[in-house]
Amino acid sequence: EVQLVQSRAEVKKPGESLKISCQGSGHSLTNKWVGWVRQMPGKGLEWMGIVYPGNSDTRYSPSFQGQVTISADKSTTTAYLQWSSLKASDTAMYYCARTQTNSFDAFDIWGQGTMVTVSS
Amino acid sequence: EIELTQSPGTLSLSPGERATLSCRASQSVNGYHLAWYQHQPGQAPRLLIYAASTRAAGIPDRFSGSESGTDFTLTISRLEPEDFAVYYCQYYGGSWPFGQGTKVEIK
Repeated sequence: EVQLVQSRAEVKKPGESLKISCQGSGHSLTNKWVGWVRQMPGKGLEWMGIVYPGNSDTRYSPSFQGQVTISADKSTTTAYLQWSSLKASDTAMYYCARTQTNSFDAFDIWGQGTMVTVSS
Repeated sequence: EIELTQSPGTLSLSPGERATLSCRASQSVNGYHLAWYQHQPGQAPRLLIYAASTRAAGIPDRFSGSESGTDFTLTISRLEPEDFAVYYCQYYGGSWPFGQGTKVEIK
């Protein structure tokens, strides 16, 4: 079965760093784009950015540029989302999702989500 | 940066009724790059429609999409109990922004 498996839920303090992951299972992510989507409590879906693991081409939403870093490891077909200094406002569910094709396309497969809680 | 505006914010309907959800783009877009998703609480979003009107694999034919210029519509012909959820449109032409969502709730 084709899946995206995300890392477990995290509870962190403000100012701490964090890197969460998204790995393809049953398929390779090398030739698909992998995007990250935030859902804050009670709010809608927000596109954060996207990476093409095959060549590490990365694009960010203007709202998230400079706030997070998106990367990928082609050898392990894993995508990452990281923060250098978390804020309470980063508390949210984070989903990864892959595109249907190797081009600009809709997200057909989604990860189960990683809940990040930032609290002192 | 393209912005997508969905309306209404909430749609209150009964099972068996028809639902019509709208998504308007802030500028002219290639309809080939417009998708609709369903999001149930506690689950990952699910792709319903891509290229404005093509149903994704396994999606029932009561879901349909259409476009007219910068206006896109998702129609659910007869609501089933499992269709009550939040629906998002998304553009995917080099950035992948979502609309703010329409909640379809039971009346």
